Amino acid sequence: AQTVTQSQPEMSVQEAETVTLSCTYDTSESDYYLFWYKQPPSRQMILVIRQEAYKQQNATENRFSVNFQKAAKSFSLKISDSQLGDAAMYFCAYRTYPTQGGSEKLVFGKGTKLTVNP
Amino acid sequence: ETGVTQTPRHLVMGMTNKKSLKCEQHLGHNAMYWYKQSAKKPLELMFVYNFKEQTENNSVPSRFSPECPNSSHLFLHLHTLQPEDSALYLCASSQVHRGAGGYTFGSGTRLTVV
Repeated sequence: AQTVTQSQPEMSVQEAETVTLSCTYDTSESDYYLFWYKQPPSRQMILVIRQEAYKQQNATENRFSVNFQKAAKSFSLKISDSQLGDAAMYFCAYRTYPTQGGSEKLVFGKGTKLTVNP
Repeated sequence: ETGVTQTPRHLVMGMTNKKSLKCEQHLGHNAMYWYKQSAKKPLELMFVYNFKEQTENNSVPSRFSPECPNSSHLFLHLHTLQPEDSALYLCASSQVHRGAGGYTFGSGTRLTVV
């Protein structure tokens, strides 16, 4: 079974600084997608960034970038120039594409609560 | 507005009540999902619907009954719930094929069972 592990329940960062959130996953599949979602107090789950496993190049979206290490099954999120609006729960997720029937689905880690200090 | 709308936003119900959660997506997606989010636990996938057909039931108790009348609407019917069912219930939709993006989520229904 696929699992996603976020080992940091909470993190904090000073405004304008850089922070890295960790994520590891376990899978036997070779083709999959990885995601980082943000959930602010409004509860809306917002897609931050995604990475295709077949791509070696790390994805970037403005101040957000990932460090994807496929062999190590690691997928960390780096937030540069942190802003107060970045404060939220961050969830790492893995999207499965079963090859032997069943449903494709998104499996989440437990999340990391990010606090941004002014 | 993300394209996935959930109602109601908050719901308080007694253990003997019957209520329904509603989810509607305006994105043309062909799959819809119910997730349960409890404190200090990962999001738990409850049900998956592909093209209106239920393709996964993750050992969810029968007091939760999903309904998907068409690809745009998803319901979760609730009856005789327990206090431990109190949680945030999130609906999501996606396009099911390789290369598709992530899921689009609604804002959730905060359910309190008293």
